[in-house]
Amino acid sequence: QKEVEQDPGPLSVPEGAIVSLNCTYSNSAFQYFMWYRQYSRKGPELLMYTYSSGNKEDGRFTAQVDKSSKYISLFIRDSQPSDSATYLCAMSDNAGNMLTFGGGTRLMVKP
Amino acid sequence: DARVTQTPRHKVTEMGQEVTMRCQPILGHNTVFWYRQTMMQGLELLAYFRNRAPLDDSGMPKDRFSAEMPDATLATLKIQPSEPRDSAVYFCASGLDRAGNTIYFGEGSWLTVV
Repeated sequence: QKEVEQDPGPLSVPEGAIVSLNCTYSNSAFQYFMWYRQYSRKGPELLMYTYSSGNKEDGRFTAQVDKSSKYISLFIRDSQPSDSATYLCAMSDNAGNMLTFGGGTRLMVKP
Repeated sequence: DARVTQTPRHKVTEMGQEVTMRCQPILGHNTVFWYRQTMMQGLELLAYFRNRAPLDDSGMPKDRFSAEMPDATLATLKIQPSEPRDSAVYFCASGLDRAGNTIYFGEGSWLTVV
């Protein structure tokens, strides 16, 4: 079993929908949680960053961490076709900046 | 605009040929990572350098792959001899080695071995 599990999708939603993307993990030492967005034929780019448990909001994006359940989520409100991409969760412990990635979820937002 | 630079962006080569991919990390970053991405396996860590020293290359097939950092501004990933199963996107990423710091990816080198 992988340390970080993520449903590969694809997830297809209509424009304007609320999207929920999730990851589960097994390593309780993870403290830092990130979401990367990867457009087709591009490198992953950092989208959201959260330390420990709680929520963080940035525009239409909300990242949520539940350490007790070892579960993180990314919510996208009012989804747009430009949000169509693969979303990778990533996390790290206190030892440095080595990240453990999920496999990515492919999201398609249809006009 | 600081960014990780990778060359070549695309490479098509014949089986058995040597392939060298290069990466210029963001100035000041002291960790460099090489990843391989495929549809089946997702992102796989191949090699990890801190202050130019290799720390982890357990994900790399040792018989044909090698990774080096000749200086702080250049990291290389070499495949010799290349095989069709090496066809993938190879990403370089760099960051500062500090708990909680993130890493920044290049645009990738798209390799096709025929």
